[in-house]
Amino acid sequence: GAVVSQHPSWVICKSGTSVKIECRSLDFQATTMFWYRQFPKQSLMLMATSNEGSKATYEQGVEKDKFLINHASLTLSTLTVTSAHPEDSSFYICSAGTANTEAFFGQGTRLTVV
Amino acid sequence: DAKTTQPTSMDCAEGRAANLPCNHSTISGNEYVYWYRQIHSQGPQYIIHGLKNNETNEMASLIITEDRKSSTLILPHATLRDTAVYYCIVRVGGPGGYQKVTFGTGTKLQVIP
Repeated sequence: GAVVSQHPSWVICKSGTSVKIECRSLDFQATTMFWYRQFPKQSLMLMATSNEGSKATYEQGVEKDKFLINHASLTLSTLTVTSAHPEDSSFYICSAGTANTEAFFGQGTRLTVV
Repeated sequence: DAKTTQPTSMDCAEGRAANLPCNHSTISGNEYVYWYRQIHSQGPQYIIHGLKNNETNEMASLIITEDRKSSTLILPHATLRDTAVYYCIVRVGGPGGYQKVTFGTGTKLQVIP
């Protein structure tokens, strides 16, 4: 079946630095991808919708200048957490699919900001 | 999308059937019932979906009541690897993997040896 892959699986970074997370659709083209964030013992919360070739759509309360999304091709979306702080430590998950498939989720990226 | 209500947690003995209920009393006629699960520290995984009829696949069965106000996900022979949080989601339309998924709090299923 269709697969969505994220990289890296985990990352530790220093406070104030930026981190880029990649989300790839491996065997299908995805004009739309989604980025979620999950804090410990909580459910997934949608952060933004990534649209190929256009600007991302952010959910209310998500800072677009802090969480930069680039969807430059039909198989790759990237999420960059800029000037990361400890409160940005979380589990970040992407998803993608087509009109004829269900949503496929990446394996997630565990970000720890120290 | 219609709101769903699920028990916070459930236990199930290994090898027995796990029956996970979901209430969606405000479901509309064009809304499907979806089930996903999330094993600890992994991304969610699609399980099954249905509109009106009961559905079965290699992972589970989905039983939807005639009035569609509730459903039950059945894992016929639960294994330890089925320990996860199970999310029941109601949304408009068929697969539509290009659409966002709105997660509730889900049911934490613990399969006990």
